[in-house]
Amino acid sequence: AQSVTQPDIHITVSEGASLELRCNYSYGATPYLFWYVQSPGQGLQLLLKYFSGDTLVQGIKGFEAEFKRSQSSFNLRKPSVHWSDAAEYFCAVGAPNQAGTALIFGKGTTLSVSS
Amino acid sequence: DVKVTQSSRYLVKRTGEKVFLECVQDMDHENMFWYRQDPGLGLRLIYFSYDVKMKEKGDIPEGYSVSREKKERFSLILESASTNQTSMYLCASKRQGVSNYGYTFGSGTRLTVV
Repeated sequence: AQSVTQPDIHITVSEGASLELRCNYSYGATPYLFWYVQSPGQGLQLLLKYFSGDTLVQGIKGFEAEFKRSQSSFNLRKPSVHWSDAAEYFCAVGAPNQAGTALIFGKGTTLSVSS
Repeated sequence: DVKVTQSSRYLVKRTGEKVFLECVQDMDHENMFWYRQDPGLGLRLIYFSYDVKMKEKGDIPEGYSVSREKKERFSLILESASTNQTSMYLCASKRQGVSNYGYTFGSGTRLTVV
């Protein structure tokens, strides 16, 4: 079955420290991969996406993610976290070459930033 | 700026009521989606529509129906609201086609059924 696992429910990091949020997927082939962020009371905003090619993708707000096929992972990273990064983060997978299908989301990781 | 607009941010309804959640997008997107978001469960797909008058069940369609009479509008209907449908509902849309694969989300409707 297709699924997305975000092993960490809640992470706290100090402001200025580096961040890595984990995402593992189970899929029949290499899917399209996404990271979304949700600030309190808001909808989801796309941070970055991976379709093919370079396995290190850059996104908005200084985030990047690395696709590792051998580990079925797509971890999100940021070298220096800002207080405004506190939010909930969702990893998602989508079927390549199947327009009209829906994304599958992980359960999310809540990021808290301490001063 | 492109937008997905959900008509209500907060809604309180009584058990047994028929509830309509409206979603409108101004991007001429073919595909539209309704998700339900609950703490610890992430986003779960209720229904989606890949074109006008077309619909597909998602993972949790029970107790819900949808309507897509116009391209820009996708309505989620709770036929008889129950307390276990208290949740955040998120609408999203995207353009048909692989190269445009990326959702735009609305701000959500927080529904409370009492």
